[in-house]
Amino acid sequence: EVQLLGSGGGLVQPGGSLRLSCAASGFTFSNYAMTWVRQAPGEGLKWVSTIANTGGNTYYEDSVKGRFTISRDNSKNTLYLQMNNLRDEDTAVYYCARGFLAPDCWGQGTLVTVSS
Amino acid sequence: DVVMTQSPLSLPVTLGQPASISCRSSQSLVYSDGNTYLSWFQQRPGQSPRRLIYKVSTRDSGVPDRFSGSGSGTDFILKISRVEAEDVGVYYCMQGAHWPRTFGQGTRLEIK
Repeated sequence: EVQLLGSGGGLVQPGGSLRLSCAASGFTFSNYAMTWVRQAPGEGLKWVSTIANTGGNTYYEDSVKGRFTISRDNSKNTLYLQMNNLRDEDTAVYYCARGFLAPDCWGQGTLVTVSS
Repeated sequence: DVVMTQSPLSLPVTLGQPASISCRSSQSLVYSDGNTYLSWFQQRPGQSPRRLIYKVSTRDSGVPDRFSGSGSGTDFILKISRVEAEDVGVYYCMQGAHWPRTFGQGTRLEIK
């Protein structure tokens, strides 16, 4: 069974940093691109970032470029999102998802709250 | 960026009746491989999104056949032939043909 287990969320002050993780199981992780999508409270879904299966190519939404870094460790079947210089508007549930054209499996989401 | 416009944004439906959601993109969603990457997702209350349909009309495994997708180019539709109580939630379309990936605003389906 494909499983994506996100972790690392929490409360952080504006300007702070946080690293999200997504542990994958049930499939060959190194064969798939992976994606982060976020959902602000009461709002819709917004794509954040995608990384190729090898880690060689990465893509970012404009508002997070230069602040967020997506990475992966295929030996540990784990996806990461390093988030620096966090802003109030980054408050959201962050979902990891498998794939980059039409993500087919989604994790349970991890809540990031940016507040002083 | 490709703008995805859904309508309606709110959809009250009587149990057993059909429902239809429209999604329009600001650009063609035909990818370099010739496929059209328009997907539909369902998000039930308190749950993660679940993919229902990809490449316009291909239903995911385990998705009831009362769900169907159609369309081409820039105009797409998700249809539910007979709405059931478990269909309550928010439905999103998403394009995977261009960077950045973009979603529609979401359509909230409720039972009348």
